[in-house]
Amino acid sequence: GDSVTQMEGPVTLSEEAFLTINCTYTATGYPSLFWYVQYPGEGLQLLLKATKADDKGSNKGFEATYRKETTSFHLEKGSVQVSDSAVYFCSIRGSYIPTFGRGTSLIVHP
Amino acid sequence: KAGVTQTPRYLIKTRGQQVTLSCSPISGHRSVSWYQQTPGQGLQFLFEYFSETQRNKGNFPGRFSGRQFSNSRSEMNVSTLELGDSALYLCASSHRGLGDNSPLHFGNGTRLTVT
Repeated sequence: GDSVTQMEGPVTLSEEAFLTINCTYTATGYPSLFWYVQYPGEGLQLLLKATKADDKGSNKGFEATYRKETTSFHLEKGSVQVSDSAVYFCSIRGSYIPTFGRGTSLIVHP
Repeated sequence: KAGVTQTPRYLIKTRGQQVTLSCSPISGHRSVSWYQQTPGQGLQFLFEYFSETQRNKGNFPGRFSGRQFSNSRSEMNVSTLELGDSALYLCASSHRGLGDNSPLHFGNGTRLTVT
């Protein structure tokens, strides 16, 4: 079946630092790829998505590129803020049922 | 447009009891899917309902069931509760369902604690 592997957290950064959260997947066919963010006490919110190879999703300064050759969808942001502190989930939808990574907690210090 | 609404936010139940959780999707969305979130297993798909029909089901025992009404509101029921059912239960809605590439819109979840 499909699977998603995310880097273990927590990731702790200072404000304005560069962020990378790695995500790799296994799936049959060509899945759509998503990043969701979860703030404390809330559900998941869509951050960005990409539906085909080499697509770049972007939102609120975050970016991720659909890399079919490496089956990856790494999340990046050039300068994080304290308000970015949350849990980030990589997700794929290939065989109909969504598959999520375990989540990566990001803590940003002032 | 109102978001996805889940009620109640918190529930405390005893082993052996049953529980019903409710989810109201975004207006116009016909698909509601349910997920269990735990620290140990992460986010796992329970089932999806579309236009009152269950379209797919995850790998959960029959104690977990659901239904959807004509107004797209959905309920999830867990019978004979076990301690391991303690989790955050999330529902998500989308316009055309999981077979489409459209993103999911999640509610804030119901936190179920089984004692």
